Amino acid sequence: EAGVAQSPRYKIIEKRQSVAFWCNPISGHATLYWYQQILGQGPKLLIQFQNNGVVDDSQLPKDRFSAERLKGVDSTLKIQPAKLEDSAVYLCASSLEAGGPSEQYFGPGTRLTVT
Amino acid sequence: AQSVTQLGSHVSVSEGALVLLRCNYSSSVPPYLFWYVQYPNQGLQLLLKYTSAATLVKGINGFEAEFKKSETSFHLTKPSAHMSDAAEYFCAVSGRTGFQKLVFGTGTRLLVSP
Repeated sequence: EAGVAQSPRYKIIEKRQSVAFWCNPISGHATLYWYQQILGQGPKLLIQFQNNGVVDDSQLPKDRFSAERLKGVDSTLKIQPAKLEDSAVYLCASSLEAGGPSEQYFGPGTRLTVT
Repeated sequence: AQSVTQLGSHVSVSEGALVLLRCNYSSSVPPYLFWYVQYPNQGLQLLLKYTSAATLVKGINGFEAEFKKSETSFHLTKPSAHMSDAAEYFCAVSGRTGFQKLVFGTGTRLLVSP
């Protein structure tokens, strides 16, 4: 079974530029998550989708971050404009069901460096 | 709100020695608890999870963890470390109702020396 795919793997941009990350979850997984992992910290949930609807985006900085999940399959996370503090690894994960004990499967992440 | 605290950002052991990574949780009701492992430049992989069926949970790669309600702990252990165990380990907690999100600890880097 193919895992969670993410692209690009690495991205370097200057502050105030925009950037987009793409995620393709495991086939059949209804729930998709975007996490931000700053160096030395654990992943922090940015947004959670159930099919193509948003379940939780309470920690998404909505003035600069946006995400969509078209047709309930793949998803895009965008940052516009980027700040230095956005430098982090952005992880996408998916699970069969939402919340509870359902195992989340993680992609390899996109490492973003903002200069 | 649930949270977890991982004691020790780095743990060093010799190959063949016992591995003990500590995790304490904070929750008003017994939560779901997880341990994930992250190898360099890779995503996280589930090692094991506690869902209340049994307090001693066995996971992959010889790891296990014991849920202790009285101590609000969920420490991860492995009897004998292998070089391939060197990685970052994250404890995580989730509530039991609705769309409860996963909240991660800050991680513990395990270093294994020959």
